[in-house]
Amino acid sequence: KAGVTQTPRYLIKTRGQQVTLSCSPISGHRSVSWYQQTPGQGLQFLFEYFSETQRNKGNFPGRFSGRQFSNSRSEMNVSTLELGDSALYLCASSGGPAGTQYFGPGTRLLVL
Amino acid sequence: AQTVTQSQPEMSVQEAETVTLSCTYDTSENNYYLFWYKQPPSRQMILVIRQEAYKQQNATENRFSVNFQKAAKSFSLKISDSQLGDTAMYFCAFMKTTSGSARQLTFGSGTQLTVLP
Repeated sequence: KAGVTQTPRYLIKTRGQQVTLSCSPISGHRSVSWYQQTPGQGLQFLFEYFSETQRNKGNFPGRFSGRQFSNSRSEMNVSTLELGDSALYLCASSGGPAGTQYFGPGTRLLVL
Repeated sequence: AQTVTQSQPEMSVQEAETVTLSCTYDTSENNYYLFWYKQPPSRQMILVIRQEAYKQQNATENRFSVNFQKAAKSFSLKISDSQLGDTAMYFCAFMKTTSGSARQLTFGSGTQLTVLP
């Protein structure tokens, strides 16, 4: 099976812009989770989608949003970018009762 | 809320030797999984090993094994016959598994392991 894919791999944006990141899960996986990784805060949970429904959201401002499509692909959007949004954004998918999460290669976002 | 603590920011080990990475966690949940992930310089997060809390037997995956002490809330990772390719940041992670609950990992701060030739 193909692994989790994320696009784009790298992004450079300026403050105030918005960005959309995409994640395609492993075939058959219905759960997609997003994490932000920064040197200062480490790995933090953003949100999780299952069957097009957001089941949980982490402690992030409303500028961070996401959605999931009927084919389980997911997107996350960050509006009004701030310098502190520079990070590695990781997507993970899981399937079945075990819930083990498998990660994509990440998207590196740099906000200037 | 759950917390995961990794008290060793950096460790090193000689090639072919054995090393143990420590992790403690705090939770009031009864049903959960614990994981070790590795993140090499490529930044790809790779699953190393998983432990179900209801299982008393420690998980093993080739050269990787865990020492799971549920009462002490301790979950250490032992790497035997260390290889240069094991050089990476290692994260301990917790996930509760209540039926229908969201799949959310809580990570520790990581341990940077360097395998020396």
